[in-house]
Amino acid sequence: QKEVEQDPGPLSVPEGAIVSLNCTYSNSAFQYFMWYRQYSRKGPELLMYTYSSGNKEDGRFTAQVDKSSKYISLFIRDSQPSDSATYLCAMTAAGGFKTIFGAGTRLFVKA
Amino acid sequence: EAQVTQNPRYLITVTGKKLTVTCSQNMNHEYMSWYRQDPGLGLRQIYYSMNVEVTDKGDVPEGYKVSRKEKRNFPLILESPSPNQTSLYFCASSSTGTSGSTDTQYFGPGTRLTVL
Repeated sequence: QKEVEQDPGPLSVPEGAIVSLNCTYSNSAFQYFMWYRQYSRKGPELLMYTYSSGNKEDGRFTAQVDKSSKYISLFIRDSQPSDSATYLCAMTAAGGFKTIFGAGTRLFVKA
Repeated sequence: EAQVTQNPRYLITVTGKKLTVTCSQNMNHEYMSWYRQDPGLGLRQIYYSMNVEVTDKGDVPEGYKVSRKEKRNFPLILESPSPNQTSLYFCASSSTGTSGSTDTQYFGPGTRLTVL
């Protein structure tokens, strides 16, 4: 079993839809939870970062962490064609230097 | 401009021919790391370095070497490349911040390596 599980998709939605992306994990030591966005032929870029449990909002993006369920989510409101990319979840333990990434979910937003 | 650079961006080589992929960052970050990205497997960490002369294995270190002689540079060395090392490679850097953890990593543009 992988430490971090993420549905690879692809996920196709119409413009304006609410998108929900999710990851589950097995290591209870993870304390830092990140979402990276990766456009085709580019390196990943940090989108959202959350410490421990709770919600964090940044514009159209909301990250949620439920440590009791070992489940994290990224919501995208009013999705745009420019949101079409691969979204990778990532996690690190406190004081740790190893980051574990999910496989990434490929998202297509149709105009 | 803050950035992580990698060279070369594309490389086709043959089995057994030693190669080095360079990585450099201009953000004075302590932490640097190498990942490989394969379809369906996501990003897997090869090696990481917490600071100059301090390196450690990630999840898939076999067949790779690294060195950290200067803070800004973290080259990845394949002493005897094999076809199963054909992949997309990313270098990343991060400050360790007050948390002491590598929470925000800045990635380079990637190096696509093909080993024939």
